[in-house]
Amino acid sequence: ETGVTQTPRHLVMGMTNKKSLKCEQHLGHNAMYWYKQSAKKPLELMFVYSLEERVENNSVPSRFSPECPNSSHLFLHLHTLQPEDSALYLCASSQGRRGNPNYGYTFGSGTRLTVV
Amino acid sequence: AQTVTQSQPEMSVQEAETVTLSCTYDTSESDYYLFWYKQPPSRQMILVIRQEAYKQQNATENRFSVNFQKAAKSFSLKISDSQLGDAAMYFCASNTGNQFYFGTGTSLTVIP
Repeated sequence: ETGVTQTPRHLVMGMTNKKSLKCEQHLGHNAMYWYKQSAKKPLELMFVYSLEERVENNSVPSRFSPECPNSSHLFLHLHTLQPEDSALYLCASSQGRRGNPNYGYTFGSGTRLTVV
Repeated sequence: AQTVTQSQPEMSVQEAETVTLSCTYDTSESDYYLFWYKQPPSRQMILVIRQEAYKQQNATENRFSVNFQKAAKSFSLKISDSQLGDAAMYFCASNTGNQFYFGTGTSLTVIP
């Protein structure tokens, strides 16, 4: 049990599909994050939620739409993606006021997304 | 913005030997935190070690230790008595406030 669970583990979708990624944390953390991991590039922060409020949105295209219904669940809704969106999408959580992760993140195992 | 640089895309080490992974960072902040994360083939990134910049003493966690040189903005990771399970991608990261910056990673191979 990692504490942060992501589903699905793998996802292949066409450019016209709509799908959602799910993240769940059982650690009592109050901040959750979506990161995009591409080969040979630093992790890219996409969204930050603190106490269910979105506190950061790093100029992510609108084809990615996050949702945080409560402090334990985070979704990333996907629609009309492009092939360059293929990557590993990691969810993370942390404890700290307004997402201040001075003690580091706890990550999930990611969803490997392939857009065809 | 901060930058984190890992200049070694790949490293290898013989089992039971010691290896050092390099990391440099660039920040104008005086209060920040530094981390090393390990990402095995299972893909989950696991926190290996954490250093608070205001502490001069180098952090250690069992076989893992860091060499933190604040003036040089260097934060290297030393793995002693390397084991096969240490094979993974290793990411260096820095944190100031709610901003987290990652390096591009070092792929470590452990040779039996």
